[in-house]
Amino acid sequence: SYVLTQPPSVSVAPGKTARISCGGDNIGNKRVHWYQQKPGQAPVLVVYDDTDRPSGIPERFSGSHSGDAATLTVSMVEAGDEADYYCQVWDSSSDHVVFGGGTKLTVL
Amino acid sequence: EVQLAESGGGLVQPGRSLRLSCAASGFTFSDYAMHWVRQAPGKGLEWVSGISWNSGGIEYGDSVKGRFTLFRDNAKKSLYLQMNSLRPDDTALYYCVKDRGAALGRHKGLDVWGQGTTVTVS
Repeated sequence: SYVLTQPPSVSVAPGKTARISCGGDNIGNKRVHWYQQKPGQAPVLVVYDDTDRPSGIPERFSGSHSGDAATLTVSMVEAGDEADYYCQVWDSSSDHVVFGGGTKLTVL
Repeated sequence: EVQLAESGGGLVQPGRSLRLSCAASGFTFSDYAMHWVRQAPGKGLEWVSGISWNSGGIEYGDSVKGRFTLFRDNAKKSLYLQMNSLRPDDTALYYCVKDRGAALGRHKGLDVWGQGTTVTVS
């Protein structure tokens, strides 16, 4: 089955830029979506189709795709950005939704 | 306001059954694929099952295939998950989730999530 690999944790100081990677075999051929989940809350879609943002999501959140990895970038990080972030794709080989293991973003 | 409201969770013994329901409002339910995603305590997100707008495509995660059945009633704007032969490792918060697309094969991301219903198998 298809596997997405994320770092367990990323730490960043307020005002700096956080980058969260998501790796997978031939991930460049798939559309990657990103979710933010704060403690005790349901996940929220923050980036879809690699680079697009839903309405209401700040421009500080951006997605990119390069080689065998996708990246979620959070610019000018704020304390309120502290959360778990998940990448996700549709695997057409298995017809499954696949999530990465999640990355805990800590704001120092 | 776009909303998804799950119900039907609870405490159940191993081997028993449970049916989850999800009531949708604020959008044209019949235009979109729908999914269930679960999260075990302290763990990450796990996709359970998804269904296309017209029930023409239904898929299941490997851990639930053969035990769970997903179906929808577009007239009632509702999604259902029939869970049979429940096991302790099915214990989780179950989210009802809307797809941005209509068909599973044209998946476009999961843009609306309910607050979840808790299933405990013990």
